[in-house]
Amino acid sequence: EVQLVQSGAEVKKPGESLKISCKVSGYDFSSYWLGWVRQKPGKGPEWMGIIYPTDSDTRYSPSFQGQVTISADKSISTAYLQWSSLKASDTAMYYCARRPDSRTWYVDYWGQGTLVTVSS
Amino acid sequence: QSALTQPRSVSGSPGQSVTISCTGTSSDVGGYNYVSWYQQHPGKVPKLLIYDVTKRPSGVSDRFSGSKSGNTASLTISGLQAEDEADYYCCSYAGNLGVFGGGTTLTVL
Repeated sequence: EVQLVQSGAEVKKPGESLKISCKVSGYDFSSYWLGWVRQKPGKGPEWMGIIYPTDSDTRYSPSFQGQVTISADKSISTAYLQWSSLKASDTAMYYCARRPDSRTWYVDYWGQGTLVTVSS
Repeated sequence: QSALTQPRSVSGSPGQSVTISCTGTSSDVGGYNYVSWYQQHPGKVPKLLIYDVTKRPSGVSDRFSGSKSGNTASLTISGLQAEDEADYYCCSYAGNLGVFGGGTTLTVL
């Protein structure tokens, strides 16, 4: 069974750093692109970026380039999303999601989400 | 990459059909046959309904169907049921990553 299990909710202050994780099981982690999606309350999802764990090829949305870092550790089948200096506007739900076919664009499995709250 | 345009809300009675539109540009919806649709109930994770414009994953009801004409994609839900009440999001490949629509809330009257 394919599972994407994300780390728990976080409450941080502006300026703090954060790294959240997405551990996968049930499929070959290295063989599929894995992306990160942001969703603010009452808003549509937004693609942040995506990584191919085999070679760590990473693509970022222009809106998030330079604002976050996406990485992966093949040895533990885990992807990461990190911030070096959080802002209040980073408050949102963050999902990881698997892209099952590199010839097309959609995601089939999602993590349960990690709620990040940034407040002074 | 601007968000795709969806109506904020649609409604229908049980048993009826509704169609949700998703308008983009020639750089996303119109340029690729890589439109997908997701259903999201409040507080839940999005669920894939349609991919590659018209394809349905196994396990998704055939009451859900997709189409595309030019820069506009559409999701049609036939035989509306109470459990279809949810938010619906389209997504299209846009040359680098995907871009989502702003979402449509479906109300089953």
